[in-house]
Amino acid sequence: EPEVTQTPSHQVTQMGQEVILRCVPISNHLYFYWYRQILGQKVEFLVSFYNNEISEKSEIFDDQFSVERPDGSNFTLKIRSTKLEDSAMYFCASSGQGPNTEAFFGQGTRLTVV
Amino acid sequence: ILNVEQSPQSLHVQEGDSTNFTCSFPSSNFYALHWYRWETAKSPEALFVMTLNGDEKKKGRISATLNTKEGYSYLYIKGSQPEDSATYLCAFMGKAAGNKLTFGGGTRVLVKP
Repeated sequence: EPEVTQTPSHQVTQMGQEVILRCVPISNHLYFYWYRQILGQKVEFLVSFYNNEISEKSEIFDDQFSVERPDGSNFTLKIRSTKLEDSAMYFCASSGQGPNTEAFFGQGTRLTVV
Repeated sequence: ILNVEQSPQSLHVQEGDSTNFTCSFPSSNFYALHWYRWETAKSPEALFVMTLNGDEKKKGRISATLNTKEGYSYLYIKGSQPEDSATYLCAFMGKAAGNKLTFGGGTRVLVKP
């Protein structure tokens, strides 16, 4: 069964460093997303990506964040100058077109900023 | 800010018992309501995508109903088994939302043998 894969599963980084979280979405999907869950809080939307550009982003997704689809398969989230409050589980997801299509999630990358 | 709420936050169920829990969401601008099952250390897994008022969907012992006019959905588990233990998340998708999902806080279900 096709699945979304994320690497690494856990990343520890020093405050102020840059991190890149990687995802391989399902190959024939058209929409790609990043969500995150800070411990004890709801899963929250960061950004959606369609047709090689950002289609929507939340107010969390400021200049510190960027996304890229550098080739036909990978989808990355870059966080520049990480802060302690960026510590969270980051999920990548992908879906086909339309609101009645389910999103497939990866297992997440746990980011710990120290 | 969209408000998607789930209750209860957690519940303990005896094996073999049936249970249900709710998700409330904005009744305006509705496009779709998703339910996900999330086991620890695994990916959230889609259970249902519901789009029509009055929709009822079923997958094995799990079923869901949808009321878009009043803004709620119920998830039912019939004859709970230990493998049903998981966090169940609902997520609202509004119109013109770019397929963005707004999640509730989840209901954590623990089925005791």
